[in-house]
Amino acid sequence: NAGVTQTPKFRVLKTGQSMTLLCAQDMNHEYMYWYRQDPGMGLRLIHYSVGEGTTAKGEVPDGYNVSRLKKQNFLLGLESAAPSQTSVYFCATKGGGELFFGEGSRLTVL
Amino acid sequence: RKEVEQDPGPFNVPEGATVAFNCTYSNSASQSFFWYRQDCRKEPKLLMSVYSSGNEDGRFTAQLNRASQYISLLIRDSKLSDSATYLCVVNRGLTGGGNKLTFGTGTQLKVEL
Repeated sequence: NAGVTQTPKFRVLKTGQSMTLLCAQDMNHEYMYWYRQDPGMGLRLIHYSVGEGTTAKGEVPDGYNVSRLKKQNFLLGLESAAPSQTSVYFCATKGGGELFFGEGSRLTVL
Repeated sequence: RKEVEQDPGPFNVPEGATVAFNCTYSNSASQSFFWYRQDCRKEPKLLMSVYSSGNEDGRFTAQLNRASQYISLLIRDSKLSDSATYLCVVNRGLTGGGNKLTFGTGTQLKVEL
């Protein structure tokens, strides 16, 4: 039982490159979230999904896109990476009022 | 003013000490409250929910003061393994439905021999 799995764990990009972060869950939760965590700031919500086929913007959605084609997967895309997107990205699901996080993906944009 | 504020610390305490953290929130419509623990370079994990009447889980006690809009976390008999960052999380409903979780920046605790 893996819970919430994020891939890749680490990635270095050049400005302007694109990439996709994958979040996979085996908890059968409806709600899924993408957060970013930066020094001196709390976790900030990028996008979220309340079920398969749905997505919605969080508080910092600019520069990111998401898709939830299957209930167990939530993808976060960066179409044209910028240095300001250097961060640690966490995926989470919600069940029973509790958030369950993946281990995080460390992204550096040069 | 930030919606959720925490003293970043670090709090350096000897093993066996009692330590307390506070977290203040600005929106009086906030409905539910949590403490999450985050170890260095790891993901956050739920430590405990905070109930209006206060609640205890072993060496950990959480309190809510709605009048003054703060929650607290008390750790008794600190262990080396308690060293981590403690995140305050506040949940409130949104006009039109849904809710919003806001994370504090965290308070760092270091327990020393």
